[in-house]
Amino acid sequence: GAGVSQSPSNKVTEKGKDVELRCDPISGHTALYWYRQRLGQGLEFLIYFQGNSAPDKSGLPSDRFSAERTGESVSTLTIQRTQQEDSAVYLCASSRPGGSQHFGDGTRLSIL
Amino acid sequence: GNSVTQMEGPVTLSEEAFLTINCTYTATGYPSLFWYVQYPGEGLQLLLKATKADDKGSNKGFEATYRKETTSFHLEKGSVQVSDSAVYFCALIRGAFGNEKLTFGTGTRLTIIP
Repeated sequence: GAGVSQSPSNKVTEKGKDVELRCDPISGHTALYWYRQRLGQGLEFLIYFQGNSAPDKSGLPSDRFSAERTGESVSTLTIQRTQQEDSAVYLCASSRPGGSQHFGDGTRLSIL
Repeated sequence: GNSVTQMEGPVTLSEEAFLTINCTYTATGYPSLFWYVQYPGEGLQLLLKATKADDKGSNKGFEATYRKETTSFHLEKGSVQVSDSAVYFCALIRGAFGNEKLTFGTGTRLTIIP
């Protein structure tokens, strides 16, 4: 597609369950980013992939969070044993080298 | 570390009013600065950017000037329209414009009334 695609758009799950969020970047974009936006707060950086380099995981809030990306394609963000404080909108962005970051519409995650 | 502080909202203005949304930053070196906008029901979009001191970014009638002496990047528009109602985020990237994580402010919700 023309833009960054994220799925699902909404996810409601029970506390303690694992969730997987998917991001399909714009074709040709070597960099991929995950951010989180909790209610009333700004966007927080989570993790960044650049080509085949080791990812920058410095923003991941705990070891329950992990992400994978194969080459320059789809990325999956996994949250294990979800907690209520994980409720947020999870945004994915991608960019060409030196280019602007283009954002997807996000996944709204609600933990009951 | 890097941080961005922007004007708390919500901001409500009448159509054709002058808009300023303040943004100041803390960063080492020479960051690149951005304003992103999120219209109702839509994703985050880049509105404008500036990559060095005294640069002015502009788009859709909005402007912001990179002021290193005051570490500011205030967003302005001379005459707002109802269609400008959205949430505006100020952000920075460390260093030159490239593949770097964005540091965002908390966002300012703007509502324009006819």
